[in-house]
Amino acid sequence: GAGVSQSPRYKVTKRGQDVALRCDPISGHVSLYWYRQALGQGPEFLTYFNYEAQQDKSGLPNDRFSAERPEGSISTLTIQRTEQRDSAMYRCASSPKGHLYGYTFGSGTRLTVV
Amino acid sequence: AQSVSQHNHHVILSEAASLELGCNYSYGGTVNLFWYVQYPGQHLQLLLKYFSGDPLVKGIKGFEAEFIKSKFSFNLRKPSVQWSDTAEYFCAIHGGSQGNLIFGKGTKLSVKP
Repeated sequence: GAGVSQSPRYKVTKRGQDVALRCDPISGHVSLYWYRQALGQGPEFLTYFNYEAQQDKSGLPNDRFSAERPEGSISTLTIQRTEQRDSAMYRCASSPKGHLYGYTFGSGTRLTVV
Repeated sequence: AQSVSQHNHHVILSEAASLELGCNYSYGGTVNLFWYVQYPGQHLQLLLKYFSGDPLVKGIKGFEAEFIKSKFSFNLRKPSVQWSDTAEYFCAIHGGSQGNLIFGKGTKLSVKP
């Protein structure tokens, strides 16, 4: 597509439920990144992929968080047993490969856990 | 560990005023530096980037930034701001074998018409 597409735009879920956030990167982009942004803070790195391979997941806060990109295109970030502290804007970005050209960000998914 | 510090949380200026937003980073090796902007209701967009060469980098919409290696700084400047520059600005770095960008906390700029 023309840009990075994230869905849903907004998600309200009850504590304890699982959620899946989707990212559709720009066609042909090798690298895909997930960030989380709390109010008043900058984007905080979660994980990234080159093609289908997860290169770094050191930013995932705990084992409730996981991500996959099985065919090297669309990626899903899954949060199991959500907690209120998981409420944030979740941002996906993609790039042709690596950081040389900067990232193109999607509009984000606003997650609210009640 | 790499880190980015943006000094100002919120800057308020009148139109035509000059702008300088501070950004300092912590990393001893070679870094690539970026400024991103987020306009109200929109996604993060790349404003400018520095990889090597001339330390004064020009970006879109009249913005520029200067890399001063000795000060570990990459301040963003604009000679005359407009109301449409109201946005949040994020400095980011990439250093070494780190695969991802590291962002600062951002500076919110409000320009009064």
